[in-house]
Formats: sequence, structure tokens, C-alpha cells
Amino acid sequence: AQSVTQLGSHVSVSEGALVLLRCNYSSSVPPYLFWYVQYPNQGLQLLLKYTSAATLVKGINGFEAEFKKSETSFHLTKPSAHMSDAAEYFCAVSGSGGSYIPTFGRGTSLIVHP
Amino acid sequence: KAGVTQTPRYLIKTRGQQVTLSCSPISGHRSVSWYQQTPGQGLQFLFEYFSETQRNKGNFPGRFSGRQFSNSRSEMNVSTLELGDSALYLCASSLEPGTAQETQYFGPGTRLLVL
Repeated sequence: AQSVTQLGSHVSVSEGALVLLRCNYSSSVPPYLFWYVQYPNQGLQLLLKYTSAATLVKGINGFEAEFKKSETSFHLTKPSAHMSDAAEYFCAVSGSGGSYIPTFGRGTSLIVHP
Repeated sequence: KAGVTQTPRYLIKTRGQQVTLSCSPISGHRSVSWYQQTPGQGLQFLFEYFSETQRNKGNFPGRFSGRQFSNSRSEMNVSTLELGDSALYLCASSLEPGTAQETQYFGPGTRLLVL
């Protein structure tokens, strides 16, 4: 079985501050991990994905995530938040139990204050 | 290349009615998945189709069904609507079916409100 836990349903930062969104996963096999972003009234857009090629994954819009097997974590970071980063962020895992259907976390709403 | 399109974008129905939602995948993508998104349950997998065959199914009642056509377009149907079916229904397509590292590309969703 596979599962994802996103710590914090809401994260609030000031513009220019570091963004850190937490994701912990559970998987019986080396996982594939994804971060998606959802803007209001839109579908999900892939930010980045981990497929075992490199533990530090760079994505779009200045985001990156680091895979830490010992901590079963895949936290998303961005050095400096922009107002346009305000959105819902979802972490997802796939690969466990032979399943390629991703399991999504409950999402974290990022609020950016001016 | 056009993205995943879903129609209609918004829909209002009453309890007991049925509804059909449509999804057109990215050109060349043959796998289509459907998800239900609600504030209370988050993103939940409904089913996945490939080559007109349902390959995976989530834990939803039989009122939820789908199909896929030879051009990879997909429809999902919900019969005997309940208030709890109010949700954003997302369709996602992917190029290489059956691989865990495959990226899913999502459409904008259909927002269904059941009154």
C-alpha cells in the first residue's frame, strides 16, 4: 500500500520568504513522487517529479524538492515566494504494490502575504 | 499541442438525475483517468481507461461508470445523483500507460453541483 501525508493544510508566508511544504510518503517499494499545483478553478499542473535519477529535483517556477529515503520525505521548497505562488499544492506517490495509479495527499494551501 | 479538455465546465443537477461528463485527452495519449475532488475527501481515484477498457477502478459505488471511445475520448456517468456527489471531477491523460513514473496531465475539471 502507498500513502502520502502532507503536514499542514495551510501554510502562510510573506512575499520573498522561503516556502517549505512538507510531504511524507509510505511505500513498500522505491517510490515515484510528484508535486502538483492547482490554481483556483483549474486542474492540477505538474511541478516536478522524482524518478530515482537524482535526489534533488528541480521543477518549474523555481520550485525544487529533495527525496530523503531515510526520512521518507519529499518536501517542496522555493527560496523566495511570489504572490503568484498562492495555490493548492498536492504531493503524490505511485509504484507501490505494482500500482501506477498515483495516491494524492490532501493538499496544502499556500497563502502569500504582501 | 492542446491540453486535456473537459466539458461542460460547470453543471447544476438535482438529486436523482443522472449526468454525463466528457474528457478529451492530449493528442496521442491513450490512458484516461478520472478523479473526484472534494474539500472533505481530497482527490479520489475513480477509474482509468486504456484502449477502451477499464483497467483500474477506485472505491466508488456502481452509480459511477465510464467508458472510452476508439479516439481515446472518455465519458463518465453518474446515475441517481446524491447531494454528496457535488464535487470537481478531474480527468487526466497520460502517454505511457502502466508505468508508475508516468506523468498525468490534468484537465480543468467539471464542477458539479447537486441540489
